[in-house]
Amino acid sequence: DAGVIQSPRHEVTEMGQEVTLRCKPISGHNSLFWYRQTMMRGLELLIYFNNNVPIDDSGMPEDRFSAKMPNASFSTLKIQPSEPRDSAVYFCASKPRGGINIQYFGAGTRLSVL
Amino acid sequence: GENVEQHPSTLSVQEGDSAVIKCTYSDSASNYFPWYKQELGKGPQLIIDIRSNVGEKKDQRIAVTLNKTAKHFSLHITETQPEDSAVYFCAAPRSNDYKLSFGAGTTVTVRA
Repeated sequence: DAGVIQSPRHEVTEMGQEVTLRCKPISGHNSLFWYRQTMMRGLELLIYFNNNVPIDDSGMPEDRFSAKMPNASFSTLKIQPSEPRDSAVYFCASKPRGGINIQYFGAGTRLSVL
Repeated sequence: GENVEQHPSTLSVQEGDSAVIKCTYSDSASNYFPWYKQELGKGPQLIIDIRSNVGEKKDQRIAVTLNKTAKHFSLHITETQPEDSAVYFCAAPRSNDYKLSFGAGTTVTVRA
């Protein structure tokens, strides 16, 4: 299995621009998570999908952030408009159906907002 | 909710020596404790986990121990090698289970 695939790996943009991060979970997994990692705050859960449905978006910092999961094999995290404080590494993780909470992470997208 | 504390924040060891990282958790209902290793420029990768019905689990040079009474668990790396240099995170599920609370991470440096 190719694992969780994220794109792009690196994104540099200017303040005010729209940014879209993409994730392909592991085939057969039915849960998907978006995390943000910074030195100051560590790993923060932004949103959790189960069977393509957003279950918990309480970690989304503000309305500029939105996430979608149109099907079981694709999810996006969008920031519009982006701000310098959004600079971080964004990870997507997926989890297989049932059982214990084993999450598998992608390689991440390093976002720099200038 | 679950609160996970991890110590130390940094750890430097001589190649061949052992490394130990400790975590404490607050939710007595937590039943699964994974450890992740994050290398530079990569995402966290699950390296070992332990469930609440066992006290110890070993996989080659790494082992985890769990003390449910004291609510703490530890990662032990023996015969450390340069490729063990990374950031290690412990985690525990929150009461609703789909969320994982992560420790702040331990940066391990193995000196050659």
